[in-house]
Amino acid sequence: GALVYQYPRRTICKSGTSMRMECQAVGFQATSVAWYRQSPQKTFELIALSTVNSAIKYEQNFTQEKFPISHPNLSFSSMTVLNAYLEDRGLYLCGARQGHNQAPLFGEGTRLSVL
Amino acid sequence: QEKVQQSPESLIVPEGAMSSLNCTFSNSASQSIWWYQQHPGKGPEALISIFSNGNKKEGRLTVYLNRASLHVSLHIRDSQPSDSAVYLCAAHDSGYNKLTFGKGTVLLVSP
Repeated sequence: GALVYQYPRRTICKSGTSMRMECQAVGFQATSVAWYRQSPQKTFELIALSTVNSAIKYEQNFTQEKFPISHPNLSFSSMTVLNAYLEDRGLYLCGARQGHNQAPLFGEGTRLSVL
Repeated sequence: QEKVQQSPESLIVPEGAMSSLNCTFSNSASQSIWWYQQHPGKGPEALISIFSNGNKKEGRLTVYLNRASLHVSLHIRDSQPSDSAVYLCAAHDSGYNKLTFGKGTVLLVSP
């Protein structure tokens, strides 16, 4: 069956350092990949949407300089949180969509803690 | 920008009862509304979606959409303890291919 695999599941980094997380679509080709952050205080925040044959589009309050994303093929995407601070803590979710009108299939997320 | 609001924030129902969750969205042009279920420590899982005005039934789930009032509801018949989870309402903006989520309703079904 189709699933989305995210790695790592949990990570801890020191304040001011960076960490990279990965997302892989298994069993299907993702026409678009969206990265979200779910924090205790806020709902899902869309960070960026990456669609095949289009540039990666970042939402307000999120920038490529802070959250660079690589989407080399239809199955794999990675995002780095650069210079992480306390406000970057949360569960980072990757949602991959197979078709335009299909619901994104989510991975289990990467939980980021910042010391 | 699309805004999605859910109510109540939390809901406790006895096993076997009907659970009713509400959601309002701000953009009447949103193509579809999705409901997701999220268990602790897991990613959200799509349950059911609705595109047209009216209702849609799948198993124990029924969803109602009223575009005029920008309101959608999810009803879970014969609620089970395993239904206990966070339920997220999400509006799909087809123009931007973007899904906007609400903050969720925490459902607890007591045995």
